[in-house]
Amino acid sequence: GAVVSQHPSRVICKSGTSVKIECRSLDFQATTMFWYRQFPKQSLMLMATSNEGSKATYEQGVEKDKFLINHASLTLSTLTVTSAHPEDSSFYICSARDIASGKGEQYFGPGTRLTVT
Amino acid sequence: GQNIDQPTEMTATEGAIVQINCTYQTSGFNGLFWYQQHAGEAPTFLSYNVLDGLEEKGRFSSFLSRSKGYSYLLLKELQMKDSASYLCAVSNSNYQLIWGAGTKLIIKP
Repeated sequence: GAVVSQHPSRVICKSGTSVKIECRSLDFQATTMFWYRQFPKQSLMLMATSNEGSKATYEQGVEKDKFLINHASLTLSTLTVTSAHPEDSSFYICSARDIASGKGEQYFGPGTRLTVT
Repeated sequence: GQNIDQPTEMTATEGAIVQINCTYQTSGFNGLFWYQQHAGEAPTFLSYNVLDGLEEKGRFSSFLSRSKGYSYLLLKELQMKDSASYLCAVSNSNYQLIWGAGTKLIIKP
């Protein structure tokens, strides 16, 4: 089946530093990847849609200069949280859509738990 | 606007059957998905419906009625490990997934 990996799985950083999270589709190609954020006991919130070779599309209220997204290849997208603050502490999950699938199904990575101290 | 509605929380007994409903209003329709999410983990795919009717997969079944904008996920022979949140998501005309807030299912012995 389609596998998506995320790295790192957990990260603790100090306030003001930047953190990069990688999302990889391991056995399929993904022209589109999605970045979600989930706070405890809340639903998934789509942050941005990452398109290979073009600029990401950000959801309303998500700062594009703070959450930098790069989708340089068909198997890799990265999210960089710049100048992180404690309120950015959350569970970040990426998903990828298999271009060969007609369903539009999204396969999820295992998530990255970010803690900003 | 686009929205997905599903109950916030449901409780059921081990060994029983539970039905989780989902109603939706979206701009276009390219299929409906159900995902399972355990606490602290990412969602995992359960089922996909694009045509009306029932799709059965082991203990889980999913039903779709496009004319009514309605789906349900049916879980049979409930096990304690089925305690999780169940997310309904609809793929709209742009193949973007519109997500429901999820239904937290609590299984009691």
